[in-house]
Amino acid sequence: NAGVTQTPKFQVLKTGQSMTLQCAQDMNHNSMYWYRQDPGMGLRLIYYSASEGTTDKGEVPNGYNVSRLNKREFSLRLESAAPSQTSVYFCASTWPGGDTQYFGPGTRLTVL
Amino acid sequence: KQEVTQIPAALSVPEGENLVLNCSFTDSAIYNLQWFRQDPGKGLTSLLLIQSSQREQTSGRLNASLDKSSGRSTLYIAASQPGDSATYLCAASGVAGNNRKLIWGLGTSLAVNP
Repeated sequence: NAGVTQTPKFQVLKTGQSMTLQCAQDMNHNSMYWYRQDPGMGLRLIYYSASEGTTDKGEVPNGYNVSRLNKREFSLRLESAAPSQTSVYFCASTWPGGDTQYFGPGTRLTVL
Repeated sequence: KQEVTQIPAALSVPEGENLVLNCSFTDSAIYNLQWFRQDPGKGLTSLLLIQSSQREQTSGRLNASLDKSSGRSTLYIAASQPGDSATYLCAASGVAGNNRKLIWGLGTSLAVNP
């Protein structure tokens, strides 16, 4: 079991560029989440997907889009990156009604 | 609106000490409270989960308690080791819905010195 995997691990973008962060889990979890972690702000939920085919906004969705491609994969897209999106992005997953979230190793994104 | 606070923000102790990390939350209507560990440059690992009906959970040298009436949880680490050095985060889960969202504290950065 690889658990939750994220690609890439590091990325540097210029303002205005676009990119997609990939997340996959092999634990047959239904629910998946995208968080960002910033110093002094803690972890904040960007988007989540309760099940395949559904997505919902979290606390800070502006500037992001998501796709729940199938049960395993949940991607996060930045259409036009801004310096304010410099952060560490974490993907997590859990089973239906489950509470313990399993986290990926994170993607460290810098937008210049 | 639920808010989660962790005190202290940073803690440095000599190896072997017993220590307590604190977590407080403003809304006592929680479904559960979890403690996570984060190593530098890594993701988060769940340590202990306490359901709202429980008072405490134990795993090895770790013991977490929950007092909903006072809005507090503590993580007790016995006989601390340098390998315990990490950031410890607590997160409260609300009662509503099947897809319960977590509200996070900012964490306590722990350094255990040999």
